[in-house]
Amino acid sequence: DQQVKQNSPSLSVQEGRISILNCDYTNSMFDYFLWYKKYPAEGPTFLISISSIKDKNEDGRFTVFLNKSAKHLSLHIVPSQPGDSAVYFCAARSGGSEKLVFGKGTKLTVNP
Amino acid sequence: GAGVSQTPSNKVTEKGKYVELRCDPISGHTALYWYRQSLGQGPEFLIYFQGTGAADDSGLPNDRFFAVRPEGSVSTLKIQRTERGDSAVYLCASSLMGQLQETQYFGPGTRLLVL
Repeated sequence: DQQVKQNSPSLSVQEGRISILNCDYTNSMFDYFLWYKKYPAEGPTFLISISSIKDKNEDGRFTVFLNKSAKHLSLHIVPSQPGDSAVYFCAARSGGSEKLVFGKGTKLTVNP
Repeated sequence: GAGVSQTPSNKVTEKGKYVELRCDPISGHTALYWYRQSLGQGPEFLIYFQGTGAADDSGLPNDRFFAVRPEGSVSTLKIQRTERGDSAVYLCASSLMGQLQETQYFGPGTRLLVL
């Protein structure tokens, strides 16, 4: 039973437009959420995170939104750049556990 | 400073053989994690070390898998009697103290192929 779900395996956007990646979770104990980016043959790289006490966190072109009542978070990238093309993983963690629970990932392609 | 390193980067073995995968965490990081990523899936937690001790090994799939971190730095993941289903990318991560809002930094992974 997947606790973190990324229902879109892929997403394609034009350079300069907004990319929106979505993530849903089922475990109400999760209170910290992260997005990682992964290029082929490399390990995941931390991108941005959000605590459950917030509903938005912004870092440059990247913004993560959290809707606790819907158990949904999203990552917005604006403007999208070709170098953003990668697989994006949503991950969650609960205060009582050190492990991250990952979704299956969404492959983002930004076309020039 | 250097990031998390893992060796070997690729390992091909035959079914039934024993393998060891090594992880060098970021210097000074006391928390170390092993994850496994199968094709088309996200990373799945295997085990977490705080210092030398395994604080949570609930993700190890069975007793063929074992991990050690004898001096609180380098860790070795050991797989006995490998099976084809063990083929995956094994990822190691470390964080400063293992606290909730700390970032886990990942290594490049070891790609294990069991023939």
